[in-house]
Amino acid sequence: NAGVTQTPKFRVLKTGQSMTLLCAQDMNHEYMYWYRQDPGMGLRLIHYSVGEGTTAKGEVPDGYNVSRLKKQNFLLGLESAAPSQTSVYFCASSYWDPGEAFFGQGTRLTVV
Amino acid sequence: QQQVKQSPQSLIVQKGGISIINCAYENTAFDYFPWYQQFPGKGPALLIAIRPDVSEKKEGRFTISFNKSAKQFSLHIMDSQPGDSATYFCAASMNAAAGNKLTFGGGTRVLVKP
Repeated sequence: NAGVTQTPKFRVLKTGQSMTLLCAQDMNHEYMYWYRQDPGMGLRLIHYSVGEGTTAKGEVPDGYNVSRLKKQNFLLGLESAAPSQTSVYFCASSYWDPGEAFFGQGTRLTVV
Repeated sequence: QQQVKQSPQSLIVQKGGISIINCAYENTAFDYFPWYQQFPGKGPALLIAIRPDVSEKKEGRFTISFNKSAKQFSLHIMDSQPGDSATYFCAASMNAAAGNKLTFGGGTRVLVKP
């Protein structure tokens, strides 16, 4: 049972480049989330999804887009990367019960 | 605007000591308060959680204390061990209708010295 899998694990981008982060979960969870983690800031919600075909903005959505075409996958896109988007990105999924989220191992993104 | 404030940012404790981490929240709509533990290079994992109808919950060496009137909750790690060295995040969540969004505190890095 893989749980939540994120790819890639590491990436370096140049300013202005684009990329997509992939999150896959095999627990049949309805809810999926993308967070970014920065020192002292905790984890901040970028976008989330309450089911296949749905997406919604979180706390810090600017500069990111998401898609949930299949229930098990949640994609995070950066259209034009900026140095301020240097961070560790975590995907998570959960059942309908609030609070118990299962996280992937993270993607460390550096924008130079 | 940070809705969940966590303190301290870092903590050093001797093996066998007690680690205490505090969190305060503002939104009275929060109804679920989990704590997550994160080891270096890993994603956070649920450690223990509490709902506001309970004032204390204990699981092994980990205890959550909850004060609804003060809008505060805390994590106590008893008999701290070097293996407890990690970053701890408190969080708060609203009900299912709001999308189960977790709002996290800033994190506390705990170092347990042998």
